Amino acid sequence: GAGVSQSPRYKVTKRGQDVALRCDPISGHVSLYWYRQALGQGPEFLTYFNYEAQQDKSGLPNDRFSAERPEGSISTLTIQRTEQRDSAMYRCASSLNPDYLASTDTQYFGPGTRLTVL
Amino acid sequence: AQSVTQPDIHITVSEGASLELRCNYSYGATPYLFWYVQSPGQGLQLLLKYFSGDTLVQGIKGFEAEFKRSQSSFNLRKPSVHWSDAAEYFCAVGAGEYGNKLVFGAGTILRVKS
Repeated sequence: GAGVSQSPRYKVTKRGQDVALRCDPISGHVSLYWYRQALGQGPEFLTYFNYEAQQDKSGLPNDRFSAERPEGSISTLTIQRTEQRDSAMYRCASSLNPDYLASTDTQYFGPGTRLTVL
Repeated sequence: AQSVTQPDIHITVSEGASLELRCNYSYGATPYLFWYVQSPGQGLQLLLKYFSGDTLVQGIKGFEAEFKRSQSSFNLRKPSVHWSDAAEYFCAVGAGEYGNKLVFGAGTILRVKS
């Protein structure tokens, strides 16, 4: 079946512009996660959803970053007034169950969106 | 806070040789532990995971890992490496109330020489 998809795969933008990154999880998956991966580092947690509810946004770096999942399926991560330090790979993952069943779950990752801010 | 250390940034092994990638974690209780592999242009793929029970965990592609609480380690092993195993490997620990917020190490890049 189809895995997690993300679009665009590559995004180049100028400093100060807003960007929206899209994640399409595996069909039927309840939980959706956003991670950010800087070059030479492992992914870093940003936020996650159970269905349409944002459960934890403790990893979002500042208020320029926001995420939504209005219908409990597709999610959008938005970065306003981008800065060069926002350049990174943004990864989305989904899992079948809600967070309280995480012990039996696997997070399936998408291919990521490579964001470059000039 | 939970953390993961992968001491080796790069490792090179000969095809057919055995492999061990090191991972140390910092966590107070029994951790949820994971190994993921990342090939160029691909997403992260789960190799194996440990939640409880038997400390030796079998995964896909012939990989295994052993949880050693006394050493706070979860090293990944493979008895015979194939050229297709060349990739970047990430160890992770589950953080937060439900253990679902993954904290990753910086990764180890594996090169396989023929």
